[in-house]
Amino acid sequence: SQQGEEDPQALSIQEGENATMNCSYKTSINNLQWYRQNSGRGLVHLILIRSNEREKHSGRLRVTLDTSKKSSSLLITASRAADTASYFCATDGGGGYQKVTFGTGTKLQVIP
Amino acid sequence: NAGVTQTPKFRVLKTGQSMTLLCAQDMNHEYMYWYRQDPGMGLRLIHYSVGEGTTAKGEVPDGYNVSRLKKQNFLLGLESAAPSQTSVYFCASSYSARGEYEQYFGPGTRLTVT
Repeated sequence: SQQGEEDPQALSIQEGENATMNCSYKTSINNLQWYRQNSGRGLVHLILIRSNEREKHSGRLRVTLDTSKKSSSLLITASRAADTASYFCATDGGGGYQKVTFGTGTKLQVIP
Repeated sequence: NAGVTQTPKFRVLKTGQSMTLLCAQDMNHEYMYWYRQDPGMGLRLIHYSVGEGTTAKGEVPDGYNVSRLKKQNFLLGLESAAPSQTSVYFCASSYSARGEYEQYFGPGTRLTVT
């Protein structure tokens, strides 16, 4: 079963707008990752945030983590048509050695 | 540096046929994974390997077998294909299975079982 669940399932915005997608998870974690998947392609790693971090930036990406609410958000600022893709969060299970599990994804469409 | 490659890219099988999907990585990663992706289900882990000669079951292992005879290769076998195995299959590799290491994905194999 998925550890992470993304919300919304689908999002459509105009180019230049910001896109926000959320991930909720069930158990404690050590780290949370976000991946992007372009249509018909494999997943590509975007950013990792550790459980002791609250916010992290990478270019136009901003990730927040609230471990008390077991949730994370991914913000893409000034979106471009090329950002059209599905976005997945991936969580480990906390504790010691744990495998990463992926959520069901948010499908983002950026309209030019 | 090709990263993770998968062979074949597409395949159509009849029910009961067998096939092997090949995954190769050139990053000297210890860990390799096979996932399947179905609409609305996200990625589900089929089998994984923590090193050459080792394999372990993931979330949905039934109907699949795997082998890791060489560190760089991870094979996924379907002995008797069923329509329920129609899916897109992704291979991935990572330095470690722990959550602080990213996974590198192949381009996927689209399998249809009729």
